[in-house]
Amino acid sequence: AQKVTQAQTEISVVEKEDVTLDCVYETRDTTYYLFWYKQPPSGELVFLIRRNSFDEQNEISGRYSWNFQKSTSSFNFTITASQVVDSAVYFCALSNYGGATNKLIFGTGTLLAVQP
Amino acid sequence: SAVISQKPSRDICQRGTSLTIQCQVDSQVTMMFWYRQQPGQSLTLIATANQGSEATYESGFVIDKFPISRPNLTFSTLTVSNMSPEDSSIYLCSVDWSSTQYFGPGTRLTVL
Repeated sequence: AQKVTQAQTEISVVEKEDVTLDCVYETRDTTYYLFWYKQPPSGELVFLIRRNSFDEQNEISGRYSWNFQKSTSSFNFTITASQVVDSAVYFCALSNYGGATNKLIFGTGTLLAVQP
Repeated sequence: SAVISQKPSRDICQRGTSLTIQCQVDSQVTMMFWYRQQPGQSLTLIATANQGSEATYESGFVIDKFPISRPNLTFSTLTVSNMSPEDSSIYLCSVDWSSTQYFGPGTRLTVL
């Protein structure tokens, strides 16, 4: 069975602090996709990144960086120098690769509150 | 990526009634999905809607309660039937675009 675990329910930081959001996944598939989405208070779900299971290279995009470690089944997300606009719920998700439905399995989300 | 819109953005409904939510995409897509997000919870897939075939429902969701239409490659509707307060949720549609799902802005439904 596929499962995504985000153990951190809520995180509160002060602006300019760095923060890491943890994501651990379970799957029997040898190839799969991992995703991070952001859900601000307005409710829409914003796509941040997709990572293929066969590409363990870490990625950096501005203040955002992602650390994918297949050996520990983790796909962690770090925000450097956090800002108030980063306050949102962040979801990690998993889907099969090349399957018929590309069904997304979501974690329970981490609520990040960045205080000014 | 595709641009997705949903109507209505929010609604307050009485129990026992039905609400149809529309999802419009600016490009033709094969696969569309409907998710439910109950208050303070994560997203749960209701069904997958492919044009020209019956929707595929996930465990715990049935067609009588959540009928779905997919008349063409840019449009889909989800109806929440015979609503109860437990149906109060955000309903989101998404599309698969190059193996990534992009989501609409969601419909916030409150059932009294």
